[in-house]
Amino acid sequence: AQSVTQLGSHVSVSEGALVLLRCNYSSSVPPYLFWYVQYPNQGLQLLLKYTTGATLVKGINGFEAEFKKSETSFHLTKPSAHMSDAAEYFCAVSESNFGNEKLTFGTGTRLTIIP
Amino acid sequence: DGGITQSPKYLFRKEGQNVTLSCEQNLNHDAMYWYRQDPGQGLRLIYYSQIVNDFQKGDIAEGYSVSREKKESFPLTVTSAQKNPTAFYLCASTRYGLAGEELFFGEGSRLTVL
Repeated sequence: AQSVTQLGSHVSVSEGALVLLRCNYSSSVPPYLFWYVQYPNQGLQLLLKYTTGATLVKGINGFEAEFKKSETSFHLTKPSAHMSDAAEYFCAVSESNFGNEKLTFGTGTRLTIIP
Repeated sequence: DGGITQSPKYLFRKEGQNVTLSCEQNLNHDAMYWYRQDPGQGLRLIYYSQIVNDFQKGDIAEGYSVSREKKESFPLTVTSAQKNPTAFYLCASTRYGLAGEELFFGEGSRLTVL
């Protein structure tokens, strides 16, 4: 069975600084990997996903993530943080030989932006 | 605009009462899901349905029930058998229920048991 670990339940960065949110996964088959964002008291919204092909994936709001098979990682980055990036971010993994019901979420990382 | 509508947004319940959370989608999606979100635990799957009149238990189905009589609707009942029902509940859908598809979420329902 797959699993996902998000390192750091809380991350704080200054406005304009690099954002780096870490995600490591385990999977016995090629994984599908996702990052979702959640603003307070709202549902989740897809930032980006990796299924196949190019390992550097670009998403909405200037975020990107790189699939590194050798490191079993899918870290989320953004070159310059904006106040509007303050939210909770979830990494998720599913295995390509199952349906979406097998999607596993990490425990989330709350991102705070310091003015 | 297409999307998922959950209601009510906030709900208070006394112990021993059943409550039903509504989830409606107009995305023409086949698959629908209910997740429970607790602080520090991510999202856990309660039930899912990939077709009308069929649904399957997720990882934490005990104390919950669902129905899927219409493609657009997937209500969740939190029964009195659920030991710790206070949580944030999220409904989601995908086009076909296949791995790799994007989940579309509603805005959630926050249930508090008094």
